[in-house]
Amino acid sequence: KNEVEQSPQNLTAQEGEFITINCSYSVGISALHWLQQHPGGGIVSLFMLSSGKKKHGRLIATINIQEKHSSLHITASHPRDSAVYICAVSRTRTSGSRLTFGEGTQLTVNP
Amino acid sequence: EAGVTQSPTHLIKTRGQQVTLRCSPISGHTSVYWYQQALGLGLQFLLWYDEGEERNRGNFPPRFSGRQFPNYSSELNVNALELEDSALYLCASSLDRGQSNYGYTFGSGTRLTVV
Repeated sequence: KNEVEQSPQNLTAQEGEFITINCSYSVGISALHWLQQHPGGGIVSLFMLSSGKKKHGRLIATINIQEKHSSLHITASHPRDSAVYICAVSRTRTSGSRLTFGEGTQLTVNP
Repeated sequence: EAGVTQSPTHLIKTRGQQVTLRCSPISGHTSVYWYQQALGLGLQFLLWYDEGEERNRGNFPPRFSGRQFPNYSSELNVNALELEDSALYLCASSLDRGQSNYGYTFGSGTRLTVV
């Protein structure tokens, strides 16, 4: 079993729909990251969370430390949101900010 | 502010050859991380450098190595290339100094193809 699990693996939505991607982890963490990877391969860091909730534009990320679960929400989805969304966790001080990744969720938003 | 820069962007090498990939972190960032993303696989941690020292390495053979220079830029070296080394190699930098609670900035990656 992977230390970081994401669901769903693939998600297709219509423009304007509300989208949720889930992430569960099984290890102690110091922070959880949500990343976005476009087809060219470059990765953009969307959020880093250690508790609560963060919002940036149409993106919202939440984390429940007790349940070891995080969600990424996209409101009013748009075709330009199509990308792979990756959940990752950073762990102990001896690992620095080394990340352990989930498998990613391929999101396709159709016009 | 310049982001994390990686070079080259693309590279084709023959099995058995050696390759060097380069990464320049964001100014002021002392930690550099290297990750491998092989086709169809998730991102895997390779190496972590901080303040010029290798601090941690992932589950990769010794032919994967690197170093960090006094200006915090870094090189990743892969010797005796194998076909399965074909992957996107991503570098990321952070100001974490090992505190594990700092944000990350990724480079655009080097896509290595081994033939």
